[in-house]
Order: sequence, then C-alpha cells, then structure tokens
Amino acid sequence: AAGVIQSPRHLIKEKRETATLKCYPIPRHDTVYWYQQGPGQDPQFLISFYEKMQSDKGSIPDRFSAQQFSDYHSELNMSSLELGDSALYFCAVSPDNYNEQFFGPGTRLTVL
Amino acid sequence: AQSVAQPEDQVNVAEGNPLTVKCTYSVSGNPYFFWYVQYPNRGLQFLLKYITGDNLVKGSYGFEAEFNKSQTSFHLKKPSALVSDSALYFCAVRDDRGYKLSFGAGTTVTVRA
Repeated sequence: AAGVIQSPRHLIKEKRETATLKCYPIPRHDTVYWYQQGPGQDPQFLISFYEKMQSDKGSIPDRFSAQQFSDYHSELNMSSLELGDSALYFCAVSPDNYNEQFFGPGTRLTVL
Repeated sequence: AQSVAQPEDQVNVAEGNPLTVKCTYSVSGNPYFFWYVQYPNRGLQFLLKYITGDNLVKGSYGFEAEFNKSQTSFHLKKPSALVSDSALYFCAVRDDRGYKLSFGAGTTVTVRA
C-alpha cells in the first residue's frame, strides 16, 4: 500500500521567516500533490509534480515554490511567511492518475 | 471547473442508526468522485471512490456511496453508525486535466452513544 512521510510534523516560525516542508512517498511515486488546509477549511490544492516536472498549479502564492527530486521526494519552500500561512500542509501521492490519492499525516505550520 | 458541495455542516445521529452525508456535484465529462475522512489533527483517509460502472460503491469501515446522475449526488452512507465514526468527512472530485482533487467544505459527523 502507498504511504507518505512528511517532516517535520510541526513547525513554528516567525513572520517573514522561511520554511521548508518535506514529503517522502513510500514506495516511490512519480506523482506528488501538495495541499493546504486552513483552520476549519477544506484542503486546497497548491501544486503537483509528475516525474519531477510541475504538472499542475493551483492557488499557490508566489512566495511558495516546490520541486520533486530525483529520488521522488518533494519539498515545499515557503518564504516571507505571513500569519495567514498557518495551516496544515498535506502531501499526497497516487499510484496512477486513475486512482485515489493517499495523504500524508501533514505538517502543521504555525506562523507567529 | 469541477466542483462538489456538501450542504450540511454537521450531521448528528445516534449510534446504531443509519448515517448519510450528502454531496452534490457540478461537473462536466466523466470525473471521478471520492470520499475521505479526517480525524482531529490527522491526515485524510481514503474511504471509497466512484470511477465508472456500478453506481453503488462499497468502501472501508462499512461505508458505501451511491452515484446518482439524475440528482447529481454522491451521498455517503452507513447502515449502522458507530461512535468511532465521529469525524470530519470530505467529498472530492478529481479534475480531469491535471488530476488534482477539489474538496467540498466538509461535514462534521457526531455519533452519540
């Protein structure tokens, strides 16, 4: 079965700092999705990668960037953090484009 | 754009009673539909999906869902709810260009003993 490891699980940052969230698909998956879930909200799609290339882009701020590496893990980089960036960030993988996505446990980012 | 809506913010049922969580959709083409459950401070767990074929799909933990094209709905159901089913439930549709998921607003289910 597919799984996802995300690190860190919790992260506290100050405004205007940077943060890097990491996602490790198990086993390796060529497609990775990032979602942001604000307090009391549904998950919102940020960005996805297929075979290390960006495949789709959602409502991701210009302050955020992401990439997928040769070992298929992915990182979401967030700069100039704002209070409104406080949220749960999920990474998800899918064995193929015709099946469900498996979500990681998420990284809870708190911006103070 | 594909979208789903969950008309109820909360659903409260007694343990042992049937549970229904509603989801309606507005889509074009042949999208895929999913239900996920989220427990507090946890990730989303996949329950079931509808891609094509039989309109009644069965999933994990005794849940099932019926795809109804005439009513544009994909309601989640469980014949006999358990207290442990208390959680946040999301309906989702998969975009057919890029494959991202679009979620409904979520429905909080509370099953009382």
